[in-house]
Order: sequence, then structure tokens, then C-alpha cells
Amino acid sequence: AQSVTQLDSQVPVFEEAPVELRCNYSSSVSVYLFWYVQYPNQGLQLLLKYLSGSTLVESINGFEAEFNKSQTSFHLRKPSVHISDTAEYFCAVSATGRRALTFGSGTRLQVQP
Amino acid sequence: DVKVTQSSRYLVKRTGEKVFLECVQDMDHENMFWYRQDPGLGLRLIYFSYDVKMKEKGDIPEGYSVSREKKERFSLILESASTNQTSMYLCGIENTGTDYGYTFGSGTRLTVV
Repeated sequence: AQSVTQLDSQVPVFEEAPVELRCNYSSSVSVYLFWYVQYPNQGLQLLLKYLSGSTLVESINGFEAEFNKSQTSFHLRKPSVHISDTAEYFCAVSATGRRALTFGSGTRLQVQP
Repeated sequence: DVKVTQSSRYLVKRTGEKVFLECVQDMDHENMFWYRQDPGLGLRLIYFSYDVKMKEKGDIPEGYSVSREKKERFSLILESASTNQTSMYLCGIENTGTDYGYTFGSGTRLTVV
């Protein structure tokens, strides 16, 4: 079985500051990794994903995440956040042999002016 | 892009009622899922289905059942709703095509009174 740990339940940060949302996973088989974002009163939107190839993946709105196999991590980073990035972020993993996603408990990013 | 539609955005039901949550996809994907989302717990898998009439229990199936009579529709059933089933319910599909990933509906916020 796999599991996902998001170490921070809330991350307050000032606008234009950098941010890192941490995600660690455990799995005995190969995995695909995802970050989803949920804005207030909305559904889940895919932010970025790692399937294979380059371990650094980027989203269209400036976020990036790096797959680190040795540390079993997939941390999400942004060099300069905006007020509009305020949302809840979920890390998720799918593993060979189990088609469903396993989610972390979520990190609420609060960007302050 | 695949679209996943959940029939109700908000639902209020009484304790003991039988509740149906409906989810429809507009493509032909085999794998469909039901999750519930609770603060601090992230998303937890209730059931998933890998084809018509095929289903498998997730991590928290107690108190729920599912139905998949047609490929595009996956229903979650609360046989006798209880207050501890008050939650946000999200339906998702696994897109195994060229743009691999998972797409979710907007969610149904169910309140059991």
C-alpha cells in the first residue's frame, strides 16, 4: 500500500515571497505523482504531474515540483506567490497495481498582502 | 478534455434516508472513483469501478454502496444516511489516454441532518 504525507497543514506567506509545500510518499512499487489545487468552493484542478522522464516538472502558472526518488519526495515550489494562489493544495500518488489515487491531507496556502 | 459531472452541488438529507449521488463522464473511460473530502483528512477513497458492473472497495466503504450499470455513469449510494456522512463527495475518472491523469467533478456537498 502507498501513503502520502503533507507535512504542513497550513502555510502562511506574504505576497511575492517564495514558498515550498512539502510532500513525501511511501510505496513499494513505481509511482506517478500529482499536485492538485482546490480554490475555495471549487473542485480539484490538476496543477502538475510526474509520470516519467525529467524529474523537474512545471505548471503554466509558475509552480514547479521535483521528483526525488531517493528521498521519496515531490515538493511543490513557487519563487514568488500571488494573492490568487491562496488555495488548498493536495499531493497524490498512484502506484502500479492500484488504479486509484492516494491523497495527502492537504496544505492550505494563505498568501497575505 | 473529458468532463465529469456530478448532478448536485449541494444536498441536504435527513438521517435514515437513502441517498443517491450521481456522476457522469462524457467519454469512455473504464476507471471511475468516489472519494470523500474532510478537513484535515484529505480525500479518502470510498469505492472504485473498473468497468460496467465491476467494483472494488476503497479505504472507507462502510455505509456506502455503488452502482455502475452503464460505462458513463457511476452512482454512490448511502443506504441509510447518518450525520457522520456529512461531507464533500468527489467523483473522478482515470484518463488512460495520451494525456494520462485523473479528472474530477466539482463535488457534492452533502449535509445529513
